[in-house]
Formats: sequence, C-alpha cells, structure tokens
Amino acid sequence: GAVVSQHPSRVICKSGTSVKIECRSLDFQATTMFWYRQFPKQSLMLMATSNEGSKATYEQGVEKDKFLINHASLTLSTLTVTSAHPEDSSFYICSASGGGRSGNQPQHFGDGTRLSIL
Amino acid sequence: SQQGEEDPQALSIQEGENATMNCSYKTSINNLQWYRQNSGRGLVHLILIRSNEREKHSGRLRVTLDTSKKSSSLLITASRAADTASYFCATVSSSNTGKLIFGQGTTLQVKP
Repeated sequence: GAVVSQHPSRVICKSGTSVKIECRSLDFQATTMFWYRQFPKQSLMLMATSNEGSKATYEQGVEKDKFLINHASLTLSTLTVTSAHPEDSSFYICSASGGGRSGNQPQHFGDGTRLSIL
Repeated sequence: SQQGEEDPQALSIQEGENATMNCSYKTSINNLQWYRQNSGRGLVHLILIRSNEREKHSGRLRVTLDTSKKSSSLLITASRAADTASYFCATVSSSNTGKLIFGQGTTLQVKP
C-alpha cells in the first residue's frame, strides 16, 4: 500500500514553456502533499506544502508565481513550472503522508520528474 | 533550509561488511526518519524513530537516536550490493508541522 505516482518521469522542453507535474496518491487519501527539488548529488530541498482545498505554503525563497501548486482533491496535487528557463532544470519529487498528523507518519514519495529546459 | 549534517558523505565497503552512517541536527524534533534513494528515483522510507525512543530495528537496519547530542545513526549489517544507494536522515520538528527537513545524505557503495 501507500503508493504515490508522479507523472511525467521526464520532460525536455524549450525555454518559456510551462510544465505541469502531477502527483497522485493511489491507495490512500492525502490531505497534505509536499514538493521537493533536488540538484545533482545534493539533498532534497522542500519547496512547498500543498494542502487539499487551500493555498499552498511556500518555503522562503521559492517564487509562488513561478511554481504554481494546486491540490484540488485528496489524491492529486499538481506543480506547474511557469515559463520555465534553463535554471529551472532539476529533479522534482513529491511526497504524501496518509492518515493522522502528517508529521507522525512516514512520507511516501513519487519517483520524481527530471525536468530539462533547453 | 537544510538542517542535518551527515557523515560520511560517501562510504565504500565490501559485501558482507557493516555500514554506519551518522546524522546530526540542530532543532528539537518530534521524530527522525531515514530514507533511501536509488539513483534517479524517489525516496523509500526505512525507519521512523520518535524523540522518546533510543533505538529501533528493522531487519538488517538498526537506528539509534541521542536527543541530548542531537544525533542519530543508521547501521546496515551484512551489507549487500543491492544496498548501494544514497541514505538520508530527515527530521520533523517538535512543532510537528509535518515538514521533513533533510540531511545532506550519505552515498553508500557496496562492492560485490
């Protein structure tokens, strides 16, 4: 159980394109999902916390107009990188925690999206 | 912001040997979690240890937590080539917002 599906796994597109990444919890309901960014050989940096039915909470330094997050249902959160540029190229990973207070449970991660902006 | 420091940054051992990775953190925590990441993939949860626990086991994994030193260790016994991956500790603060703050990670290579 506790499977998180992230799609697409890889995106290559031109500068200026907007890219949408989906994160779905397949067998549990996730009131909270998290979006991370990871640079090569580095750790995960939390970008934002996505709450179902409300606005996302962004970490300091993350542009909310650049990285649009929508959490329209208990099983789906989306991250849209708007007008992407080469510096937005990175590995984006989502996670979700099922049931109870999210901090008391392990998080379940998607397989990540490799975004390459040419 | 990144909270934890992990050491070593990289570890290379022979199959069958034990691997120990250490993690230090800065703030009060609700719990500490260890995750594994294979290259280019998402993270897999290994163990969650609460702030009032000192040691936890799961199969070949043993995790300790010393809240007075704000540190934790992950021991993998009888390592296998398939254990080759990056290992991250992550903390949930005592305010329990649910956010995970990750350490820098240890890259483990187990040679067959």
